[in-house]
Amino acid sequence: DPKIIQKPKYLVAVTGSEKILICEQYLGHNAMYWYRQSAKKPLEFMFSYSYQKLMDNQTASSRFQPQSSKKNHLDLQITALKPDDSATYFCASSRDRNNQAPLFGEGTRLSVL
Amino acid sequence: AQSVTQPDARVTVSEGASLQLRCKYSYSGTPYLFWYVQYPRQGLQLLLKYYSGDPVVQGVNGFEAEFSKSNSSFHLRKASVHWSDSAVYFCVLSPTGNYKYVFGAGTRLKVIA
Repeated sequence: DPKIIQKPKYLVAVTGSEKILICEQYLGHNAMYWYRQSAKKPLEFMFSYSYQKLMDNQTASSRFQPQSSKKNHLDLQITALKPDDSATYFCASSRDRNNQAPLFGEGTRLSVL
Repeated sequence: AQSVTQPDARVTVSEGASLQLRCKYSYSGTPYLFWYVQYPRQGLQLLLKYYSGDPVVQGVNGFEAEFSKSNSSFHLRKASVHWSDSAVYFCVLSPTGNYKYVFGAGTRLKVIA
């Protein structure tokens, strides 16, 4: 059974709309992250959260907003979607921020038309 | 700036043959290095990691990697590949040992009969 659940697996959106990508982990981890994998760039780190607090943000655009309603949840809200946002978004988690080798979810593949 | 280069975008090998996937990194300090594998429509799975000590590290499914500080390399090897090894392999650098990964572009491995 997957320990990191990402929903939905596939998502199609129109330009200018808003979507929320869901991530839940059942590993008892305290740190969670978002990464993005697009056709044009290698996989890149976006955000880190620790105990539901934002610790690192390497995404320049404020259109990307992580949301942590529970310790084991880290959703990603994306507003004013653009075609360049089309990518696979991976959620990951680890016991704490200093723990090596986070575990990854299976990703949400977002297509913006 | 830190970077990871995987010079081979695609590699094709015959089943039962040996494999080497190349990885070069750029980082002035002592790096933490990882290899991840991504099977089709799945998330990333950790194959192995290197922090220090013996430059040859063993991973899952018969994979190993060798760290070379003089060559700034961390090549992945397997003595005999199986068709199920077909996947995309990522070499990953972590300057601080945690989640702030720098990913290579990946090497797509195809194992043929």
